[in-house]
Amino acid sequence: GAVVSQHPSWVICKSGTSVKIECRSLDFQATTMFWYRQFPKQSLMLMATSNEGSKATYEQGVEKDKFLINHASLTLSTLTVTSAHPEDSSFYICSAPSQGALLGQYFGPGTRLTVT
Amino acid sequence: KQEVTQIPAALSVPEGENLVLNCSFTDSAIYNLQWFRQDPGKGLTSLLLIQSSQREQTSGRLNASLDKSSGRSTLYIAASQPGDSATYLCAARPVDTGNQFYFGTGTSLTVIP
Repeated sequence: GAVVSQHPSWVICKSGTSVKIECRSLDFQATTMFWYRQFPKQSLMLMATSNEGSKATYEQGVEKDKFLINHASLTLSTLTVTSAHPEDSSFYICSAPSQGALLGQYFGPGTRLTVT
Repeated sequence: KQEVTQIPAALSVPEGENLVLNCSFTDSAIYNLQWFRQDPGKGLTSLLLIQSSQREQTSGRLNASLDKSSGRSTLYIAASQPGDSATYLCAARPVDTGNQFYFGTGTSLTVIP
């Protein structure tokens, strides 16, 4: 089946620094990818939709200048958390929709971000 | 906006018991509904995907049903095992929002040996 990878799987950074998270579709092309955030014991919340060749679409309440998204190619989307603060500590997960008729989604393994 | 809720939030059962997890969604205009499993600190594993035209899907000990008109889906787990302990999430894909999925609040399942 299709595979989506994320890198890094976990990262610890100091407050005020920026962190980049990569999401790759390994064996299929994805013109659209989604970025989710999950706080402890909570469900996934959609942050933004990453579109290859155009600007990302952000959900209400998500700061586009803080969470920079770049969909550089049909297999790569990146999320950069700029000027990170402890409240940005969370589990970030990306997904890409299936290109087949089933129209399900494939999820990456997630990235645990801890801001100290 | 689609809202998805899951009941119960947490469930603890003895090994071997059959159980049902519930998922409700407010907008019945969906393409499909997907059930996932998430282990602590891990990503999501897709369990079952039900298209809007289907009533149920089965995989091994898992059976998922879909009643679009009432906005409900259930995940039935037969003969539960300790390895089934995880958080189960359902996600609905509305017709009018492209490829976006809306996730439920999750049910944390513990199967006691």
